Amino acid sequence: QKEVEQDPGPLSVPEGAIVSLNCTYSNSAFQYFMWYRQYSRKGPELLMYTYSSGNKEDGRFTAQVDKSSKYISLFIRDSQPSDSATYLCAMTEYGGATNKLIFGTGTLLAVQP
Amino acid sequence: DVKVTQSSRYLVKRTGEKVFLECVQDMDHENMFWYRQDPGLGLRLIYFSYDVKMKEKGDIPEGYSVSREKKERFSLILESASTNQTSMYLCASSLPASQGIDTQYFGPGTRLTVL
Repeated sequence: QKEVEQDPGPLSVPEGAIVSLNCTYSNSAFQYFMWYRQYSRKGPELLMYTYSSGNKEDGRFTAQVDKSSKYISLFIRDSQPSDSATYLCAMTEYGGATNKLIFGTGTLLAVQP
Repeated sequence: DVKVTQSSRYLVKRTGEKVFLECVQDMDHENMFWYRQDPGLGLRLIYFSYDVKMKEKGDIPEGYSVSREKKERFSLILESASTNQTSMYLCASSLPASQGIDTQYFGPGTRLTVL
């Protein structure tokens, strides 16, 4: 079993829809959770970052962490064609010597105009 | 603006060639990473370095080596390229964990094809 599981999609939604992207994980030591966005032929860029359980909102994006269920989500409100990209979840423990991240495989999102 | 640059966007090499992929960051980061990204497999860590001349194996180091002679530069070396090393290679950098958990900043990637 992979440490981090993510549905690869593709997920196709109409413009304006609410998008829900999810990851599950098995390592209960993970405490920091991140979402990266990767446009085609580009490197990933950090979108959202949360610590432990709870919600964090940034504009149209909301990141949610449920550590009891080992489940994290990214919600995109009023989705736009420019949101079309691959979304990668990533997570890490705290206390190691390095910021070594464990990534999901990514979900490909297409927002249709 | 933070910047991680990689020497080539696209590279085509022959089986058996020695291949060098270069990565440079201008953020004075201690940590640097090399990943490969393949469809359905996501990002897999090849090697990372937490200081100059220091390196540690990641999850898939076989067939690769690295060099970090200067803080800003981290090189990935394919000693004898094989077709199964055809992939997208991504370099990243970050601050050390001792300064708090920090994101990794990625370069644009090098798409390597080995024929």
